[in-house]
Amino acid sequence: SQELEQSPQSLIVQEGKNLTINCTSSKTLYGLYWYKQKYGEGLIFLMMLQKGGEEKSHEKITAKLDEKKQQSSLHITASQPSHAGIYLCGAVSNTGNQFYFGTGTSLTVIP
Amino acid sequence: DAGVIQSPRHEVTEMGQEVTLRCKPISGHNSLFWYRQTMMRGLELLIYFNNNVPIDDSGMPEDRFSAKMPNASFSTLKIQPSEPRDSAVYFCASSFSQGHYGYTFGSGTRLTVV
Repeated sequence: SQELEQSPQSLIVQEGKNLTINCTSSKTLYGLYWYKQKYGEGLIFLMMLQKGGEEKSHEKITAKLDEKKQQSSLHITASQPSHAGIYLCGAVSNTGNQFYFGTGTSLTVIP
Repeated sequence: DAGVIQSPRHEVTEMGQEVTLRCKPISGHNSLFWYRQTMMRGLELLIYFNNNVPIDDSGMPEDRFSAKMPNASFSTLKIQPSEPRDSAVYFCASSFSQGHYGYTFGSGTRLTVV
């Protein structure tokens, strides 16, 4: 099975600071998803990356998939309290019919 | 589309009782997934269906858990009998074309077994 390791496990930053969350896979990624979850709520889809070297941005969040397609990073610029939550990376298996989640990163943004 | 709809949002039940969680996937999606989230183990895939057929139920913890998908617009996850360790948030998700266009998650059902 595919394993997705996220780092750091938790992160506490001051409002306005930049931060990066990493997601490393034990196997080649065929589709890498980033989600955000607030406590007790559903998962919110942020973005999906498929091609090696691909980079996508949404508002102040940028995600990249490295050339070898085994690592992705999520970067938040000028963090705000609204960015707080749990960030999960997810990946599709090479057969496309299974989905795996990363270990999660808990982000706290202090006003 | 209202998205993936799960019910109930919250469920509190006594140990030993039967619990049924429900999920309505997005119309047109042909894959449906049940996940469980706990503080200790994070998010775990329990079972997934493709075209209403269970494909992989290796994540189902034990025989007390069962899931059905009688048609393309409805699925249930049943726990009988429930135990306190089953307390968790249960998420349902659906996708099209085996997830290559993304997954949509429901808001989850928070289950508390006392």
